[in-house]
Amino acid sequence: DAMVIQNPRYQVTQFGKPVTLSCSQTLNHNVMYWYQQKSSQAPKLLFHYYDKDFNNEADTPDNFQSRRPNTSFCFLDIRSPGLGDAAMYLCATSRDLRLAGTSYEQYFGPGTRLTVT
Amino acid sequence: DAKTTQPPSMDCAEGRAANLPCNHSTISGNEYVYWYRQIHSQGPQYIIHGLKNNETNEMASLIITEDRKSSTLILPHATLRDTAVYYCIVRAHNAGNNRKLIWGLGTSLAVNP
Repeated sequence: DAMVIQNPRYQVTQFGKPVTLSCSQTLNHNVMYWYQQKSSQAPKLLFHYYDKDFNNEADTPDNFQSRRPNTSFCFLDIRSPGLGDAAMYLCATSRDLRLAGTSYEQYFGPGTRLTVT
Repeated sequence: DAKTTQPPSMDCAEGRAANLPCNHSTISGNEYVYWYRQIHSQGPQYIIHGLKNNETNEMASLIITEDRKSSTLILPHATLRDTAVYYCIVRAHNAGNNRKLIWGLGTSLAVNP
């Protein structure tokens, strides 16, 4: 019963070659997040969508873009990957946080491990 | 910056209780304590959260001190599959449009046979 699905699990791209990572969810959650996690580090939030409202973190490089065509899908586009962008990319979802009693429980996908050659 | 501090690593024997501490001395009155874990090469997994009362679910128990400045996550009978990095996070629920979880470095728990 996969709830947050990320494809592919492993992605190899060349330096400077655009790459897109995908995420889908079956939870019908309003909020979707993209995190970057490098080895032995905590997840770092890149941006999130509240419905179609895009919220970028101040320190997220312009090289990273995102699209959310509908509730179920969200994409992470890396326009010109550098060697420093090699990492695990995690997609997560959560419920509408404006609803009373809603917690900050986030549901994560398995991640996509990106290698840049 | 993370508002929590955790020991970087801990060991536990299989079948014994694993007690993972977390300090959050600057926690505000409306902030909850959340615990997640991340098994190697997988996405983080929610475990439990609480405000001031102790909480228990099928995965773990959460003990929060009366002054709320620290908490302990208890895995009552640790198994090898509980080997993971455990993250303690504090967060208010009424944070408006700021939905960010601030992740620290967590505690790497090794459960040994």
